[in-house]
Order: sequence, then structure tokens, then C-alpha cells
Amino acid sequence: VHLVESGGGLVQPGGSLRLSCAASGFSFKDYWMSWVRQVPGKGLEWVANIKEDGSEKYYIDSVKGRFTISRDNDKNSLSLQMNSLRGDDTAIYYCAREYQAAAASWGQGTLVTVSS
Amino acid sequence: QLVLTQSPSASASLGASVKLTCTLDSGHSTYGIAWHQQQPEKGPRYLMKLNTDGSHSKAGETPDRFSVSSSGAERYLTISSLQSDDEADYYCQTWDTGIRVFGGGTKLTVL
Repeated sequence: VHLVESGGGLVQPGGSLRLSCAASGFSFKDYWMSWVRQVPGKGLEWVANIKEDGSEKYYIDSVKGRFTISRDNDKNSLSLQMNSLRGDDTAIYYCAREYQAAAASWGQGTLVTVSS
Repeated sequence: QLVLTQSPSASASLGASVKLTCTLDSGHSTYGIAWHQQQPEKGPRYLMKLNTDGSHSKAGETPDRFSVSSSGAERYLTISSLQSDDEADYYCQTWDTGIRVFGGGTKLTVL
């Protein structure tokens, strides 16, 4: 299992960013996928996840209406569109493959910094 | 509300055993959980899962020194024969329908 996140960077408050996760080494279309974030030096926080076929999506309350999770099963790719970014969205964002609801495989993370 | 509570820190000596605790809130005391390890300056790594029925499953690379158990609303991760590279943050995780929740993590120091 190989998960590679990309798209992180520095963005101003109120701005947008799109994260991507390239998946390989497993049948991507058969697994729920999650985004989990971590403020450097702090704990893990689940952000959002999406069902195998994209028909169900769930979000933590603090990102509802601002973030959108999506997937492309033909391209083995997971995305997180982040709009109206705030300072407290600053974190390392990890892509994770779920197995029976647990985050069973993790990417290396991509850092998002929201600052003026 | 689905909440997991972990002690912020724990310590044990090299070669000894340590038992880390993760407590589910009273409304979700029967739920299964997963344990994750995060070594310094590294990303998280899934260790193992404890299911509602008491069964468990490990990631392929998780050593047999790691085991899980439960009592009431408490879920435990026991690490035996502690090694220096077991020094890490340990997080528990649970779920309810599509929602996922992590505990605050326990920083384990190996003395």
C-alpha cells in the first residue's frame, strides 16, 4: 500500500487549496478513504472520509461547508478541496486507507499553512 | 458525543511492560477501537484493532509484543519487552457510522 499526498503549501486566510492523494498497491475502489490532520506537536484529528463509491461522505463539524472530499476510482486518487481556510486549519494532512473503519494505512502527509 | 480519553503520558523501563489505556465515553462503552503509533518526526502507523466482540487483528508488521484487551469502557494496549524505538505517541481511534474519532494520544517514554 502506497499513499502519496500532494498540494500542501502556504495560503492566506480565506484562500483555497486542493490536496490530492495518489494511491497504489491495493484496489482503491474497494476501500473507504479518510483525511486526517495534525497540528505540528499536537494530536491527530479526523477531517473527512468517503465511501468506496463516493456515495457517502462525512466531515468533522469544523470543516463542514468549507471542505469537500472526493475520489476518482479510475485514477486511484483522493482529493480534499479546502475553501475559506482559517489559521486553525494549519496542519499536516494525511491521507489514510480505512479497513473496517480503522485508518489502516497512512501516507507521509502534506503540510498546509494558513497565514498572511 | 463519541469521545476517547487517553492519559497524556506514560513511562516504563527498557525491557519492561507497559499498559496504555483508552477510555470510551459512557454512551459508547461497547465500541471497538484501533491503536496507532507515531514515532518522533514520523507519520502515524496502524498497529492493531480490537473489535466489539473482543476479537482483534494486527497489522502485518506489528510485533507480537503488542497486544490489546478491554474491560468495560476501557481499552488497553500492552507493550511487553519494551524497546527504545517503542518510545512514541500512541493514539486510539473509534468510529460510529461514518464518523471517526481519535483520542488525544499518550506519549510513551522508555526509560
